[in-house]
Amino acid sequence: DAGVTQSPTHLIKTRGQQVTLRCSPKSGHDTVSWYQQALGQGPQFIFQYYEEEERQRGNFPDRFSGHQFPNYSSELNVNALLLGDSALYLCASSLESDRPNYGYTFGSGTRLTVV
Amino acid sequence: AQSVTQPDIHITVSEGASLELRCNYSYGATPYLFWYVQSPGQGLQLLLKYFSGDTLVQGIKGFEAEFKRSQSSFNLRKPSVHWSDAAEYFCAVATAAGNKLTFGGGTRVLVKP
Repeated sequence: DAGVTQSPTHLIKTRGQQVTLRCSPKSGHDTVSWYQQALGQGPQFIFQYYEEEERQRGNFPDRFSGHQFPNYSSELNVNALLLGDSALYLCASSLESDRPNYGYTFGSGTRLTVV
Repeated sequence: AQSVTQPDIHITVSEGASLELRCNYSYGATPYLFWYVQSPGQGLQLLLKYFSGDTLVQGIKGFEAEFKRSQSSFNLRKPSVHWSDAAEYFCAVATAAGNKLTFGGGTRVLVKP
């Protein structure tokens, strides 16, 4: 049973460019959350998607946007990249019916470097 | 809003020695508390969680944590560490009705042979 799959694993972009990161949730999961983990820090919540809608958002600018597809996979888009966007981006999937238990499965992340 | 503080950025421990990682949280109501471990190049793996009930929680890999409401703490312990326990450990808090985890800054554990 595959866990959470994220692609690509590493990415280098130039300031001002746009980037798309992808996440395939664990089989059977229907909810996807995205976290940003800067070097030496803990993960910070970006947003969560359920039923193809953004359900909750953390303290991130509108440059960060997302999408969830009918098959529950998700994309994270970041526009007008800044050097400070360099981080490990983690995707976590879960099952809505299990929400009270916070049964998250995390992917290994996409390492984004902005130069 | 909830927050988490992990006072120790790095801890070095000898293999076979005991380990305790500190976590302090800030939240007005009863928190949901978690400990995750992250090995290099890996995602986060849940070690244990506390929602209610017995304040001493057992987790995987021989870890346990104790919830102390009076001290707003949820410290993680292991009686005897193995070299494979070298990793970064994150404490996190959530609310009963919420959708997100709020993480501390992490504690990096180094294990000496």
